[in-house]
Amino acid sequence: GQNIDQPTEMTATEGAIVQINCTYQTSGFNGLFWYQQHAGEAPTFLSYNVLDGLEEKGRFSSFLSRSKGYSYLLLKELQMKDSASYLCAVYNFNKFYFGSGTKLNVKP
Amino acid sequence: SAVISQKPSRDICQRGTSLTIQCQVDSQVTMMFWYRQQPGQSLTLIATANQGSEATYESGFVIDKFPISRPNLTFSTLTVSNMSPEDSSIYLCSVESKPFTDTQYFGPGTRLTVL
Repeated sequence: GQNIDQPTEMTATEGAIVQINCTYQTSGFNGLFWYQQHAGEAPTFLSYNVLDGLEEKGRFSSFLSRSKGYSYLLLKELQMKDSASYLCAVYNFNKFYFGSGTKLNVKP
Repeated sequence: SAVISQKPSRDICQRGTSLTIQCQVDSQVTMMFWYRQQPGQSLTLIATANQGSEATYESGFVIDKFPISRPNLTFSTLTVSNMSPEDSSIYLCSVESKPFTDTQYFGPGTRLTVL
């Protein structure tokens, strides 16, 4: 089976840094992906990790530890437009399995 | 990146009826996926549709309830059969880009409400 856990909701202040954690227990693993989903819209790709370590992509970074079944998404210099749900997904044998998503509220 | 369109964008249906959702991609893709996203929830994979073969369904989803067609490399349909209010959800189709590059692209979704 696939078990992917994320916090349900987080709140942060504009300009700050926020870390969204994801833990997973899956029967296989080929990569860990992060998606952003604004209300009423389709998910859009943010970042992915295949190997352990940190991947940086502008204001967004993602970290993976395969031995711990753990990843996080780091968002820097938060903007109001970053208010959205962030979905962690495990890529496994040509399929994506999604966590329940973390709703991020950015306040002024 | 692939451009995906879905029809209809939304619909309101009566209990017991069926709705077919269409997914069109602007390029040829091997694998297409159908997801369901219930209100306030994350995405749940319904099935994987490959051209020329029967769809592969995830646990909890069956072909009689969610028949899928994949007649060519740019098109797929998902039918939600004998609908009940519990089927009210957003249905998204998705295609896979090359692994570990631009990952999976999602269509805009079909918002279904069953009365």
